[in-house]
Amino acid sequence: NAGVTQTPKFQVLKTGQSMTLQCAQDMNHEYMSWYRQDPGMGLRLIHYSVGAGITDQGEVPNGYNVSRSTTEDFPLRLLSAAPSQTSVYFCASSKTGPAYEQYFGPGTRLTVT
Amino acid sequence: QQPVQSPQAVILREGEDAVINCSSSKALYSVHWYRQKHGEAPVFLMILLKGGEQKGHDKISASFNEKKQQSSLYLTASQLSYSGTYFCGTEQVDSSYKLIFGSGTRLLVRP
Repeated sequence: NAGVTQTPKFQVLKTGQSMTLQCAQDMNHEYMSWYRQDPGMGLRLIHYSVGAGITDQGEVPNGYNVSRSTTEDFPLRLLSAAPSQTSVYFCASSKTGPAYEQYFGPGTRLTVT
Repeated sequence: QQPVQSPQAVILREGEDAVINCSSSKALYSVHWYRQKHGEAPVFLMILLKGGEQKGHDKISASFNEKKQQSSLYLTASQLSYSGTYFCGTEQVDSSYKLIFGSGTRLLVRP
């Protein structure tokens, strides 16, 4: 099993550009989530999904969109990148929700100039 | 609502013990503990569910006081490999499926 994979590993965007961060898992997990981690800070929940077709907002959803068309994939879309979105983005998955161990992907380091 | 962790940072000598605390003003369903090393993803340590249990493996254990909505992580006879940032994550009873993390506790173990 590859676990949770994220692409790309690094990305540089210009202000106003849009892009999609990819996240995939091969563990048949129902629950997936996206976090951002600013330098020296904790993890903040952006969006989460409890299953295919079901998504909801976390703590800091503004500027981000998600969709979950399959169990395996949970892409995060930045609509119009801003310097404030410079961060490391982690995707995580678990069996059915936060009552289970979260498996984190390796992260995507995003810089917006 | 973000849980509060204390202390913010700890420096230990190898072999010493440490306690990291996590508290919430809201009723909790679960408390998670993760360790993150610099430049890496967080790694799961343990999870405690509503019911006030205590868990542990090797020399790391944790407790969850349901009445006080507090959890503590106990690191016994610390090893150099314990260095990193420790995060607690909480799922509130009235906000299920959202795992919210604290700001972290930096732990440095010196020889």
